[in-house]
Amino acid sequence: GQNIDQPTEMTATEGAIVQINCTYQTSGFNGLFWYQQHAGEAPTFLSYNVLDGLEEKGRFSSFLSRSKGYSYLLLKELQMKDSASYLCAVSDSNYQLIWGAGTKLIIKP
Amino acid sequence: GAVVSQHPSRVICKSGTSVKIECRSLDFQATTMFWYRQFPKQSLMLMATSNEGSKATYEQGVEKDKFLINHASLTLSTLTVTSAHPEDSSFYICSANFGTDYNEQFFGPGTRLTVL
Repeated sequence: GQNIDQPTEMTATEGAIVQINCTYQTSGFNGLFWYQQHAGEAPTFLSYNVLDGLEEKGRFSSFLSRSKGYSYLLLKELQMKDSASYLCAVSDSNYQLIWGAGTKLIIKP
Repeated sequence: GAVVSQHPSRVICKSGTSVKIECRSLDFQATTMFWYRQFPKQSLMLMATSNEGSKATYEQGVEKDKFLINHASLTLSTLTVTSAHPEDSSFYICSANFGTDYNEQFFGPGTRLTVL
């Protein structure tokens, strides 16, 4: 079966760094997406990785290791507005997005 | 670019009535549109995938006679919740993509449905 695993909830302090991990087992791989979703709102796109390595975009970076079936989203200089759920999604061999359950990130002052 | 709109943003209806939700891609032609449901504090649940001009593909456990999906054009898909009941109260979100190998989904703002 296809499976995406990410922690249910994480807590971090304002100004700090947090890493949200995602492991996956899918039938084929055509890229991995990270989305941010604030409560009561629709998801918004953060990043896309299809090759191994680190993609940096401002305070957010995303890493991929295809051989390990592993990705992480790194958030630096955390701000209170970063409190949200972070969704990992993998595009499988049929280009269907397989969604993780999301990680709720709580930022404390 | 790649903006998706949904209408209405909120709807309250009586039990037994039907509710139609529209999803539009405003500045691109969406080959494929997706309908999701999200209950409070839970993750996205894909309900169905629709391609323009063809029947929607429903996920297991989703009643296609209850959740009618029409994808009449490359910019519009509609979801009709028929004979709504309180347990259908949820956040319904649509998304669309270009249908290429890079299949980022662009999400609408969602519709909050409350069935009394």
